[in-house]
Amino acid sequence: AQKITQTQPGMFVQEKEAVTLDCTYDTSDPSYGLFWYKQPSSGEMIFLIYQGSYDQQNATEGRYSLNFQKARKSANLVISASQLGDSAMYFCAMREMRGGATNKLIFGTGTLLAVQP
Amino acid sequence: NAGVTQTPKFQVLKTGQSMTLQCAQDMNHEYMSWYRQDPGMGLRLIHYSVGAGITDQGEVPNGYNVSRSTTEDFPLRLLSAAPSQTSVYFCASSYSNKGYGYGYTFGSGTRLTVV
Repeated sequence: AQKITQTQPGMFVQEKEAVTLDCTYDTSDPSYGLFWYKQPSSGEMIFLIYQGSYDQQNATEGRYSLNFQKARKSANLVISASQLGDSAMYFCAMREMRGGATNKLIFGTGTLLAVQP
Repeated sequence: NAGVTQTPKFQVLKTGQSMTLQCAQDMNHEYMSWYRQDPGMGLRLIHYSVGAGITDQGEVPNGYNVSRSTTEDFPLRLLSAAPSQTSVYFCASSYSNKGYGYGYTFGSGTRLTVV
């Protein structure tokens, strides 16, 4: 069964520094997608970045990059040059692609990031 | 485009009452799903649907019913509310057949308290 593990319940980072949020996953499906979402204190879920299991390059979106290590089944989110507005809960999620049809999006338990001035 | 619209935003129920959480999307997404979010547990999938007339259970389906009569709407019904169903509920939708790189679009959430 698919599973997402985020082992860091909370993290602190100084403004302007980089931070890595860990995510490991488990799946028997060779085709899958990995997602990161941000949830600020206002509660909405904001899509940040996506990595496909067959993508050769690590995904990047502005200050966000995904450190994808397929053999280790890890998909860590790297935020460069942290800003105060990055303080939020971050969720890693995975979707399997069994049989060519979209399947369920499963989430980890999240990491609460606090950016300090 | 409105995206995914959830109503109500807040609700207080008494134990044993029933209610329906509404979810509507205007993006012609085939896939819709309901999650509940509880502290320390992330988002857990309740039910999902891959198209009109097709629904299936997620991780935590007990106490909840769904139906999908149209592509746009995916209501979640609580049959007899219990305090354990106090949570924040999110509806999300996505394309099914355009590749799994398309992200999910989430509604703004419904904060439900059962007393």
